[in-house]
Amino acid sequence: SAVISQKPSRDICQRGTSLTIQCQVDSQVTMMFWYRQQPGQSLTLIATANQGSEATYESGFVIDKFPISRPNLTFSTLTVSNMSPEDSSIYLCSVATAINSPLHFGNGTRLTVT
Amino acid sequence: EDKVVQSPLSLVVHEGDTVTLNCSYEVTNFRSLLWYKQEKKAPTFLFMLTSSGIEKKSGRLSSILDKKELFSILNITATQTGDSAVYLCAVDQTGANNLFFGTGTRLTVIP
Repeated sequence: SAVISQKPSRDICQRGTSLTIQCQVDSQVTMMFWYRQQPGQSLTLIATANQGSEATYESGFVIDKFPISRPNLTFSTLTVSNMSPEDSSIYLCSVATAINSPLHFGNGTRLTVT
Repeated sequence: EDKVVQSPLSLVVHEGDTVTLNCSYEVTNFRSLLWYKQEKKAPTFLFMLTSSGIEKKSGRLSSILDKKELFSILNITATQTGDSAVYLCAVDQTGANNLFFGTGTRLTVIP
């Protein structure tokens, strides 16, 4: 399966600031996604990162708060903008190497907003 | 409303015990069910099940799907402390990009 490198691994940020999380895959992948896991909760899809076009956001998530880039088939970024303590979560990049193949996840970014 | 329900929420066993984790689902356009193990942050893929009654097996772990009764089980035999983790069940839907996750079962294996 693809090797997925996500960074930073963790960060502590002040409210009102922004953080950009990077996801690098060692091979071209069909699909890239960004998930959030709030404390004690399961995973929730934020958006699908589309190569060369705007991301597709799930209900409750907007581009102004979570801008996403995907300039090519191996790299994507997620920015958490104007952070508040409610944004404290684990953020996970995931990829599918082919249609109908299982998702694989990066190591995640643990974000704490103070 | 689509939902994936896992039980039990948490489980504590001794090394060597056998455990069964449950996942029931009600989703539209079901395509497959997946199991993941989450130890720290990153879920690691265990199984993908698409057909009823066909057991998938990997070492001490096995899983099976019942599409008529809408559930799956994950069995772990001869548990070890390294099996301690949160086990996540997720459903993939035809025509959707989203994996719909349950809230997980936290398994603790004590020596």
